[in-house]
Amino acid sequence: AAGVIQSPRHLIKEKRETATLKCYPIPRHDTVYWYQQGPGQDPQFLISFYEKMQSDKGSIPDRFSAQQFSDYHSELNMSSLELGDSALYFCASSLGANSGANVLTFGAGSRLTVL
Amino acid sequence: AQTVTQSQPEMSVQEAETVTLSCTYDTSESDYYLFWYKQPPSRQMILVIRQEAYKQQNATENRFSVNFQKAAKSFSLKISDSQLGDAAMYFCAYGSGNTGKLIFGQGTTLQVKP
Repeated sequence: AAGVIQSPRHLIKEKRETATLKCYPIPRHDTVYWYQQGPGQDPQFLISFYEKMQSDKGSIPDRFSAQQFSDYHSELNMSSLELGDSALYFCASSLGANSGANVLTFGAGSRLTVL
Repeated sequence: AQTVTQSQPEMSVQEAETVTLSCTYDTSESDYYLFWYKQPPSRQMILVIRQEAYKQQNATENRFSVNFQKAAKSFSLKISDSQLGDAAMYFCAYGSGNTGKLIFGQGTTLQVKP
């Protein structure tokens, strides 16, 4: 079965650079969530999209932005990178309009290292 | 605000034995879900079990079951017949209503000894 695809899996950037992470949800899933997991930390919710509209927002820095496209894939853009942005970034998808909306399937994550 | 607390940073269990991981939460909401996620060394987040707050019956998934005590705001995970593949970090999580915006606990690292 198709899973949630995230790319790139690993990314190394310098401080003040920009990074873009991509997420391809499970086919027919219309909702995408982004989470950030720092070293030794629990995942923190960043932002979510349902049917290409932002549906909820968490502890996402103003330097970060995200969107969901017409094919339901999503991109997380991070600018002016800081050392503290080094983390594992998860994307998860679900079917947003039914009782299983909170049954999330997570991708394998994108590991961002900021030097 | 809702909070999730896992007070056991590390637990260990002998293979084939049973282990229980603890989780408490705080909320004033009536419509919510509780989850246990497994994060093995690969770092993939895997849903283990899901409990709807309005259901009194405890959820079970094969060797995994929960003890949901709503009044005490407790949600523990029992793993029976532990296997080496169960070794992982386990996160308890809370979700308001039917949303995937989850609040995670600090995690419990489970070691399974052969």
